Amino acid sequence: DQQVKQNSPSLSVQEGRISILNCDYTNSMFDYFLWYKKYPAEGPTFLISISSIKDKNEDGRFTVFLNKSAKHLSLHIVPSQPGDSAVYFCAACTQGGSEKLVFGKGMKLTVNP
Amino acid sequence: EAGVVQSPRYKIIEKKQPVAFWCNPISGHNTLYWYRQNLGQGPELLIRYENEEAVDDSQLPKDRFSAERLKGVDSTLKIQPAELGDSAVYLCASSLVETQYFGPGTRLLVL
Repeated sequence: DQQVKQNSPSLSVQEGRISILNCDYTNSMFDYFLWYKKYPAEGPTFLISISSIKDKNEDGRFTVFLNKSAKHLSLHIVPSQPGDSAVYFCAACTQGGSEKLVFGKGMKLTVNP
Repeated sequence: EAGVVQSPRYKIIEKKQPVAFWCNPISGHNTLYWYRQNLGQGPELLIRYENEEAVDDSQLPKDRFSAERLKGVDSTLKIQPAELGDSAVYLCASSLVETQYFGPGTRLLVL
């Protein structure tokens, strides 16, 4: 049973437009959420995180929104750049991040020039 | 600051052979994790260490997998004997407080 779901396997956007990546979770005990970006033949690279006490966290072009009642989070990238093309993983955990991360299956983002 | 270091990057072995992966975490990070990532899936935790103590190994297939972190710094993950289904990317991560930082992984192919 997938506790973290990324239902769209891929997304294609034009350079300069907004990319919106979605993630749903089922475990109400999750209290810390992270997004990782992964290029081929590399390990996941940490992008941005959010604690369950917040509903928004912003870092430059990247913003993560958390809707706890809907058990949904999203990553917004604006403006999107070709270098953002990668696989993005949503991950969740309990107890603030030191416990194991539960990952979604990932979503491939392609940003076209 | 150096990131998480893993070796080897790639390994091809025949089934029933042993294999070992090595990880050196970010300096000062007390928590070390081993994950396995199958094709088309997200990483899944195998074992988590707090210093030299394995505090969560519930997902580690103990009949063939073993891990150690003797001095609380670097760690080794071993498979003996390897099976075809063990083909995957083995990722090591470390953390100080909240965020886990991953190494490049070891891509294992069992023939």
